[in-house]
Amino acid sequence: DIQMTQSPSSLSASVGDRITITCQASQDIRVYLNWYQQKPGNAPKLLISDASHLETGVPSRFTGSGYGADFTFTISSLQPEDFATYYCQQYDKLPVTFGGGTRVEIK
Amino acid sequence: QIQLVQSGTEVKKPGASVTISCRTSGYTFTKYAISWVRQAPGQGLEWMGWISTYGGNTDYAQKLQGRVTMTTDTSTSTAYMELRSLTSDDTAIYSCARVKWGTGPAPNDYWGQGTLVTVSS
Repeated sequence: DIQMTQSPSSLSASVGDRITITCQASQDIRVYLNWYQQKPGNAPKLLISDASHLETGVPSRFTGSGYGADFTFTISSLQPEDFATYYCQQYDKLPVTFGGGTRVEIK
Repeated sequence: QIQLVQSGTEVKKPGASVTISCRTSGYTFTKYAISWVRQAPGQGLEWMGWISTYGGNTDYAQKLQGRVTMTTDTSTSTAYMELRSLTSDDTAIYSCARVKWGTGPAPNDYWGQGTLVTVSS
């Protein structure tokens, strides 16, 4: 199985901060990497697909980049509604695997 | 609007089976595969498998092979996930999710609200 190492596991930040989350795959997954946001009690929400494609309706402060094994997810200016847990997901090879998640908390 | 509505909370004893339904609306059911994902309390996301709603082909996570069956009823645009021989490790929220590109397991653009399954004696 492809292991997805996501870091950090948690971070504290303030409104307006720029934050970056990384996801490293244990092997080449090309661009088959998605990013989700999950708030407590809610289902995950797809933010970015295929490493860098911003989903319709998702604010442009969210960006994704990367190829191969190393990927980055950035929020350029953190907003109050962005405090949540974020997961990366690879789907290049079965089984689909997720990163361990990054909990973004208010400083 | 696109909706995936799941069946309600389940409480099961160890060794029992559970079947969760995922009723879809707002799109053509047979054009988009469905994946199932679960999340144990306080834990991360775990992919369980996916089913093609057109031909019924499935792929399951190796660790669940032999215990899980995913099916669909195209007449009601509903997907089902059955998990057998439950243990306490199966206590989790189970979610269905539509596959954005139609086929394959991901990415998943619309999700059900989740179904809590508690396994306890």
